Amino acid sequence: GQQVMQIPQYQHVQEGEDFTTYCNSSTTLSNIQWYKQRPGGHPVFLIQLVKSGEVKKQKRLTFQFGEAKKNSSLHITATQTTDVGTYFCAGIIQGAQKLVFGQGTRLTINP
Amino acid sequence: SAVISQKPSRDICQRGTSLTIQCQVDSQVTMMFWYRQQPGQSLTLIATANQGSEATYESGFVIDKFPISRPNLTFSTLTVSNMSPEDSSIYLCSVEGPSGIQYEQYFGPGTRLTVT
Repeated sequence: GQQVMQIPQYQHVQEGEDFTTYCNSSTTLSNIQWYKQRPGGHPVFLIQLVKSGEVKKQKRLTFQFGEAKKNSSLHITATQTTDVGTYFCAGIIQGAQKLVFGQGTRLTINP
Repeated sequence: SAVISQKPSRDICQRGTSLTIQCQVDSQVTMMFWYRQQPGQSLTLIATANQGSEATYESGFVIDKFPISRPNLTFSTLTVSNMSPEDSSIYLCSVEGPSGIQYEQYFGPGTRLTVT
């Protein structure tokens, strides 16, 4: 079954509002990756987090990895229309040798 | 970064037929991956294809349904056999990304398959 859960499934915001998507695993992850898929496009790698409690920033995007390495979040500050798309987390389950994707959060923005 | 192309980009097929999807990379890569993304859904790994060996299939996917070839370090094919409407999906090939991050996936543009 699905080992990496992501919420919410959909999020609609006004341009300028913040946005957060959450990723949870029932088991400890070796690392967590985040991808963005624009409508009609393919997923594009954004970042990887490896260390417990790690926080990384890319301009308006802030990525966090939980202390227990079982959860992660992506926060976008002051969304812009270019942020539209589906954001996927993907984790490597400890002991496994493959990436498991969450269900994704589809972000739409009202300009 | 590697440039990945897939053919066809989309197709509409009748049930019971088979479709072979090609994935070409402009540089040599050890591992190539095939994913399925059903409409509005997440990505599911079908199999990992290494050159010179049999593909490794994930749970729920079998070689008879999704035969894979990997004749060299730049090319792979995935065949979707005896298709049914449930096979309607986007099929993506990927390689490990250029930054050296383990399991970072660098995806091709995808093949959008509709089975009628």
